[in-house]
Amino acid sequence: EAQVTQNPRYLITVTGKKLTVTCSQNMNHEYMSWYRQDPGLGLRQIYYSMNVEVTDKGDVPEGYKVSRKEKRNFPLILESPSPNQTSLYFCASRVRQNSNQPQHFGDGTRLSIL
Amino acid sequence: KNEVEQSPQNLTAQEGEFITINCSYSVGISALHWLQQHPGGGIVSLFMLSSGKKKHGRLIATINIQEKHSSLHITASHPRDSAVYICAVSPKKSSGDKLTFGTGTRLAVRP
Repeated sequence: EAQVTQNPRYLITVTGKKLTVTCSQNMNHEYMSWYRQDPGLGLRQIYYSMNVEVTDKGDVPEGYKVSRKEKRNFPLILESPSPNQTSLYFCASRVRQNSNQPQHFGDGTRLSIL
Repeated sequence: KNEVEQSPQNLTAQEGEFITINCSYSVGISALHWLQQHPGGGIVSLFMLSSGKKKHGRLIATINIQEKHSSLHITASHPRDSAVYICAVSPKKSSGDKLTFGTGTRLAVRP
């Protein structure tokens, strides 16, 4: 089954404790992206990757890092999480940039930073 | 002003009613997307369109490029249609295939 898998689905942690949210897709998609969703603000893009070893900032990259060492994986790293990073996070993938095919989204990761 | 505006923000309907959700945008786009988000669940792409009209089951999406407006229609609504519906656009001048999202329309269909 074609899917985007995020882990963990839920995490409560404390300020400053490094964490990684994993994202994996099994569709051989070139393009992957991370979004955060906050009430009243909608979804906003954090980082995206057009292919292996090619990443770039989205609208709200501060406090986040990403890597794309393999095509299927695109982890989101919070080196020193802070309470303003409490949010619902979604990973998405697409065949390629500007494809006429829509993005596939993961089920989301709810992060609470205390 | 947001680049993507949806209306209404909240909508309650009785089962069987015809539902319309509107999306207006202010930038030139290469495509418009309608997404569905169930409570506690992930996001599913319903439609991606750049002109005209698309239909899938009881869902119909239309777009008017000149007026920068799109509508999502649900015919014979059912309680399982209860979800948040999100409009997103792919701006023509964006780099990185960025999507710009509306804040969503929360739909509740009562039996």
